[in-house]
Amino acid sequence: DTGVSQNPRHKITKRGQNVTFRCDPISEHNRLYWYRQTLGQGPEFLTYFQNEAQLEKSRLLSDRFSAERPKGSFSTLEIQRTEQGDSAMYLCASSSGPSGGAYEQYFGPGTRLTVT
Amino acid sequence: GQNIDQPTEMTATEGAIVQINCTYQTSGFNGLFWYQQHAGEAPTFLSYNVLDGLEEKGRFSSFLSRSKGYSYLLLKELQMKDSASYLCAVRDIGDSWGKLQFGAGTQVVVTP
Repeated sequence: DTGVSQNPRHKITKRGQNVTFRCDPISEHNRLYWYRQTLGQGPEFLTYFQNEAQLEKSRLLSDRFSAERPKGSFSTLEIQRTEQGDSAMYLCASSSGPSGGAYEQYFGPGTRLTVT
Repeated sequence: GQNIDQPTEMTATEGAIVQINCTYQTSGFNGLFWYQQHAGEAPTFLSYNVLDGLEEKGRFSSFLSRSKGYSYLLLKELQMKDSASYLCAVRDIGDSWGKLQFGAGTQVVVTP
C-alpha cells in the first residue's frame, strides 16, 4: 500500500510530557499538511510544507508545537509540554501539483492523542 | 477566512436518496471538496467542484453554485456502508498552497 501512513496510531501521555508524531506521505507528493480534529468537528489546518519548506502555520499552532520535514520526505509533529486541550486526532495529508485543479489531499489514518 | 455551514445529522432509509447541503462565505474561492469519513478513520476524497454545475460519479453527485456560495452532495441508492460523516471543504483563492477549510461535517445515518 502506498498511501499516507502515520505513527503511532494512538498515544496516551501525561500532561507536561513531550510527544512526537510521524507522517510518511505518498512518495511522489511534494505537499504535506497537518490537521487536528476533535470529536464532532471537521479537521482544522495546522501547518503545511512544500517539499522541505514550511510555508504556513495556523494561528492555532502555539509555540509548543513544531513541525519538520527534513529532505522533503517524511514529516514530524512535536508537541512540547502537552496539555489536556491537546487531546485530539492529528491527521496528516499529502497532495501533488499546484493549487489549481483538483489535487485532492489524501489523508493518513491519524494519530489519536490522549493527554491525561 | 471561511464560514462553512452544513447540517449536523441526517437520517435516511437504505435505497433512498439524501442531499447534504453546504453553504460557505469566502473572500475568494478556488474549489470545493467533499470527503467521507467513517468513525475512527481518515477522510477519503469523494468529489471536487470548481465551476458551477453538477459533477456525477456513480451513486454520488456534487453540485456547486459559486454565486450563491452553495454546494450539495447527493447520495443515491443509499447503502448501509454509506453511514458516515460527510465533510464539505473549501479552498480559498488566497490560499495559494491549497490548504482546506472544513465544515463540521454531516453525520448520515442509514437505517434498514
